[in-house]
Amino acid sequence: QITLKESGPTLVKPTQTLTLTCTFSGFSLTTSRVAVGWIRQPPGKALEWLALIYWDDDKLYSPSLKSRLTVTKDTSKNQVVLTMTNMDPVDTATYYCAHRPSAGYIENWGQGILVTVSS
Amino acid sequence: QSVLTQPPSVSGAPGQRVTISCTGSSSNIGGGYDVHWYQQLPGTVPKVIIYGNNNRPSGVPDRFSGSKSGTSASLAISGLQAEDEADYYCQSYDGSLNGLWAFGGGTKLTVL
Repeated sequence: QITLKESGPTLVKPTQTLTLTCTFSGFSLTTSRVAVGWIRQPPGKALEWLALIYWDDDKLYSPSLKSRLTVTKDTSKNQVVLTMTNMDPVDTATYYCAHRPSAGYIENWGQGILVTVSS
Repeated sequence: QSVLTQPPSVSGAPGQRVTISCTGSSSNIGGGYDVHWYQQLPGTVPKVIIYGNNNRPSGVPDRFSGSKSGTSASLAISGLQAEDEADYYCQSYDGSLNGLWAFGGGTKLTVL
């Protein structure tokens, strides 16, 4: 059974850096073509892809947020970490991490974590 | 602006058939990349209902089907049921820049 769970602060102040951790089980991020992605969803709005990290440590970022995002993995801990700098109230959203198997689609999602940006 | 374009809303009566379009470009759908569809019921996490253009995961009713042609894809739902009322998102890979994931802006399906 594959599970993913996001953890981190639920409230951050404007200009602060957000660090979220995705802890997963049931698959390995060392398996060829597997990836973990981050997606967010502002309240009442659409899904927005943020970043993707592959088994071989290749990384993709949303062009509109690339300058603010960093994604890393720790395969020994089965964790992926997303860092987003210079947080703004418009970044208030539920942040999901997701498992992308070799077939290329999102097979499993974490429960999501609602992050509110407010002073 | 989403890389993939979906209608904001569609509606249909129970038992009817509805389709949701997903329009892309030559760098994503038209470039041969697969399209996947996700259903997000109110207050829940999205789940895949179509992957690889037209494949249904086990447990997804065969009322749901997907197709792809040129730079567009479609999700069809036949025999509409009240429980189908949800937001639907298409997703693909885009080969522009250094590569990126592309989501549609989502379509709200209302069962009348």
